[in-house]
Amino acid sequence: AQKITQTQPGMFVQEKEAVTLDCTYDTSDQSYGLFWYKQPSSGEMIFLIYQGSYDEQNATEGRYSLNFQKARKSANLVISASQLGDSAMYFCAMREGAGGGSNYKLTFGKGTLLTVNP
Amino acid sequence: KAGVTQTPRYLIKTRGQQVTLSCSPISGHRSVSWYQQTPGQGLQFLFEYFSETQRNKGNFPGRFSGRQFSNSRSEMNVSTLELGDSALYLCASSLYRGVETQYFGPGTRLLVL
Repeated sequence: AQKITQTQPGMFVQEKEAVTLDCTYDTSDQSYGLFWYKQPSSGEMIFLIYQGSYDEQNATEGRYSLNFQKARKSANLVISASQLGDSAMYFCAMREGAGGGSNYKLTFGKGTLLTVNP
Repeated sequence: KAGVTQTPRYLIKTRGQQVTLSCSPISGHRSVSWYQQTPGQGLQFLFEYFSETQRNKGNFPGRFSGRQFSNSRSEMNVSTLELGDSALYLCASSLYRGVETQYFGPGTRLLVL
């Protein structure tokens, strides 16, 4: 079974509007971390936002917020006031287990290609 | 502070050859991880190094290997290249092996002909 599922291969949004990118995850660990990365066509993975499994509040970083619903195992990324420069591939990723263990690696979803239209 | 750097950025090799990719982590970061990205398989974890020791390894054949130096710089090596090794190889660094975020470099695009 996939550990990270991103069901939207592609999304379109108008400039200045908000957009939600979906991510669901599967883990039996109590301690885990969820990440969102942006990958422009240049290839570099740019860290956007992090949510720990024990964090009670949703993470926010500027125009990015993470809608964390633990019971539903979802970690959706919300981008407010989209900009043309937001057009890129977006990946949801998970790190399982407590930090420092043998599971210190990221498992990625397939990604969502976001296109921002002027 | 400078980000993660990877060299070379682009590489063309032929089947059967070997290749070495280099990664310099963010200054002070001690953990370096490597990932392979292909259109078919997506992003897959290769291995992670911390304090010059491989701590974790993904499901890749033994042709893929790596090492880490005392200054935390890391290299990965692929021997006997196959066409399917064509990919973007991404290196990521983090301060320690904990909850810290992994920061990625620009990647090395390898094309095997």
